[in-house]
Amino acid sequence: AQSVTQPDIHITVSEGASLELRCNYSYGATPYLFWYVQSPGQGLQLLLKYFSGDTLVQGIKGFEAEFKRSQSSFNLRKPSVHWSDAAEYFCAVGPTGGGNKLTFGTGTQLKVEL
Amino acid sequence: NAGVMQNPRHLVRRRGQEARLRCSPMKGHSHVYWYRQLPEEGLKFMVYLQKENIIDESGMPKERFSAEFPKEGPSILRIQQVVRGDSAAYFCASSPRDGGSEAFFGQGTRLTVV
Repeated sequence: AQSVTQPDIHITVSEGASLELRCNYSYGATPYLFWYVQSPGQGLQLLLKYFSGDTLVQGIKGFEAEFKRSQSSFNLRKPSVHWSDAAEYFCAVGPTGGGNKLTFGTGTQLKVEL
Repeated sequence: NAGVMQNPRHLVRRRGQEARLRCSPMKGHSHVYWYRQLPEEGLKFMVYLQKENIIDESGMPKERFSAEFPKEGPSILRIQQVVRGDSAAYFCASSPRDGGSEAFFGQGTRLTVV
């Protein structure tokens, strides 16, 4: 069965600092990988996705993520965090071939200090 | 093109009552997915429906929960005889097809059972 681990429950960074949120997955084949952001009381917004090809994926709001098969990781990065990035971030894995039956991690709550 | 619409946004029910959650997918989307988010947890897949068909209900509790997506009208998630443990945020997502496309999420319905 597929699973997703986000080892950091809470992360605090200063505005302007760089950010890396960790995500490890377990899946028998090549997965489809996603990062979503959820602001308080809101739904989920897709930041970026990896289906195949270039392992460095660019997303919205200046985020990027790198797929590393050898480490079963799909870490999210941003070079300079803005106060508006404070939210909860979810990594998710979907089945090979697509499909939107996603398995989510438990999320990382990001706090940005001014 | 309006996004995925869920209503109500907030729903309070007493133990033993029924809860009906509605999801109108984006225009042109015929695939609907329901997820449940318990406090301090990630989203858990519940059910996947196409028009008039349940495709995958592997995440649905065996009792009290049902879902439908009729030919006309929104998708409905019904919870009968609600209990306190049903308190959660319920999210709906829609996509134009099941493979190789992004699923768009609604803002969720927050169910509180008192």
